[in-house]
Amino acid sequence: QKEVEQNSGPLSVPEGAIASLNCTYSDRGSQSFFWYRQYSGKSPELIMSIYSNGDKEDGRFTAQLNKASQYVSLLIRDSQPSDSATYLCAWGGSFNKFYFGSGTKLNVKP
Amino acid sequence: DGGITQSPKYLFRKEGQNVTLSCEQNLNHDAMYWYRQDPGQGLRLIYYSQIVNDFQKGDIAEGYSVSREKKESFPLTVTSAQKNPTAFYLCASSIQANEKLFFGSGTQLSVL
Repeated sequence: QKEVEQNSGPLSVPEGAIASLNCTYSDRGSQSFFWYRQYSGKSPELIMSIYSNGDKEDGRFTAQLNKASQYVSLLIRDSQPSDSATYLCAWGGSFNKFYFGSGTKLNVKP
Repeated sequence: DGGITQSPKYLFRKEGQNVTLSCEQNLNHDAMYWYRQDPGQGLRLIYYSQIVNDFQKGDIAEGYSVSREKKESFPLTVTSAQKNPTAFYLCASSIQANEKLFFGSGTQLSVL
């Protein structure tokens, strides 16, 4: 059983639209969840962290967590071409391991 | 400036050779991690360390070795036993286990 399921995409949205990225995880003991953005050839950079059920907003980004459904999502409002990148969900799992999903490639069309 | 420094940026390995990738952090973080990323793939955990002189295998530790003699340093050796080493290697640290990771700029390893 895979630890995480993340749609690899690519996900294409027009400029100004809302992009919705989703991730499901298998470790019920996980308490901390993160979204990273990675441009091609670069290292991942942290966008959002979320620790409790519900929504967390930061600028154009909103992270949503539902621990009962083992589901975490990221919404990007007013998508810009500069948002085109691969988005990785991540979480702290059992035995202090830190897991990453395979990433969803987002393409924002001008 | 605080951060994580990985070197070299590019590295070439000859068959049968061991190579060592450097990772240094001045963030005073306890936990450090090594990940491997293949083209178009996510990050796979090689090794991680929560404190000095202690480290644990990740999901793909075979063919790799690490040491954690100092809090600031967590070098990764890719041994000759790793038959498919070509990948982008990322070092990361966090203030404690299961907290957000900060990444170095990565090392691209290729086989000659």
